[in-house]
Amino acid sequence: NAGVTQTPKFRVLKTGQSMTLLCAQDMNHEYMYWYRQDPGMGLRLIHYSVGEGTTAKGEVPDGYNVSRLKKQNFLLGLESAAPSQTSVYFCASSYGGSGTSVTYEQYFGPGTRLTVT
Amino acid sequence: GIQVEQSPPDLILQEGANSTLRCNFSDSVNNLQWFHQNPWGQLINLFYIPSGTKQNGRLSATTVATERYSLLYISSSQTTDSGVYFCAVEGSGYSTLTFGKGTMLLVSP
Repeated sequence: NAGVTQTPKFRVLKTGQSMTLLCAQDMNHEYMYWYRQDPGMGLRLIHYSVGEGTTAKGEVPDGYNVSRLKKQNFLLGLESAAPSQTSVYFCASSYGGSGTSVTYEQYFGPGTRLTVT
Repeated sequence: GIQVEQSPPDLILQEGANSTLRCNFSDSVNNLQWFHQNPWGQLINLFYIPSGTKQNGRLSATTVATERYSLLYISSSQTTDSGVYFCAVEGSGYSTLTFGKGTMLLVSP
């Protein structure tokens, strides 16, 4: 049981380049999330998904796109990277969310450190 | 949206000491979780505790939802307890977690 995995672990991009971060989970979780962590800011939600084929915006969605084509995978895309997107990106998953009857602790991946120069 | 404040922002302890971390939130919540981020960056879920008290080894947590706060107790601290502790809440009517800025804990030998 690998839990939540993220690919890649590190990446350096130049301004204007694009990339996709991959998150995979093997716990059969319905909900998946992408966060960014910046110094002194805690974690802020970028986008999330409540099931295969669904996505929704979080607190800081601008400059990012996501897709959830398969239940176990959640992709985060940067179409034109900017220095302000330099951050550590975390993916998380949970069984359910608000309004469901299951407990919904979130389980996190190891993070991706992205630098945009 | 809901506001989450954690205190203290930083804490330095000697190994073996006890500590209490606090999380205040501005509205009623459906969900409250405590996380530990170790020095290597990994985030671990410690407690799912929207109300009541839970214990797991040397750690315990209490949430008093009516008074809008939660406490995380660490007893007999060890150097491996070092890192950042985050409180995250889901406000009523929302479907996602809002994180506090964390308490950075350093336990020295």
